[in-house]
Amino acid sequence: GAGVSQSPSNKVTEKGKDVELRCDPISGHTALYWYRQSLGQGLEFLIYFQGNSAPDKSGLPSDRFSAERTGGSVSTLTIQRTQQEDSAVYLCASSRDGTGANNEQFFGPGTRLTVL
Amino acid sequence: GQQLNQSPQSMFIQEGEDVSMNCTSSSIFNTWLWYKQDPGEGPVLLIALYKAGELTSNGRLTAQFGITRKDSFLNISASIPSDVGIYFCAGRSGGSNYKLTFGKGTLLTVNP
Repeated sequence: GAGVSQSPSNKVTEKGKDVELRCDPISGHTALYWYRQSLGQGLEFLIYFQGNSAPDKSGLPSDRFSAERTGGSVSTLTIQRTQQEDSAVYLCASSRDGTGANNEQFFGPGTRLTVL
Repeated sequence: GQQLNQSPQSMFIQEGEDVSMNCTSSSIFNTWLWYKQDPGEGPVLLIALYKAGELTSNGRLTAQFGITRKDSFLNISASIPSDVGIYFCAGRSGGSNYKLTFGKGTLLTVNP
């Protein structure tokens, strides 16, 4: 498809389990972003990739959160030892590159994570 | 850090009415963006503003970049049921700065 895709669309897990969330950006987009959206809140920045490198990881809430990107394309967000407060919608976005104006982010549909 | 105050938090209007929402910032932004999010979907970009004072339209939507660079508004004219959703403002502080700061959203409900 032409847009950003994410999988799974929904994930229910038990507290303490690890989860992996996947993002496929728009083809040719070098910049990729992960956000977290909690109920009734705006989008909280987690991490930014330029190519396979992550120059900004400042939004990751704890060391239980990590992300990687391979081949300048697919990215995986991993949450280890999930906690109930990790329940949220995790959104991925991509842009042509990470600099300059007129270079806006396009979002995927998100993964809704529920930690029981 | 930068904060965006978006208001109102929610609106309930009749089909055909006009609606206005706005965002204010504690600091200057060089770009203002307005997104709409439908249930179960990611945000979709509606309008992007790059110059202070800029007024831009997209169909029934009009948005302005405040002259102080600390605020923006979005107007929707002649609302229709499919306008229902959450509208987010977002700001970026520099042309080469990738990071967006988002408001908490305005939930719009349109009564047919």
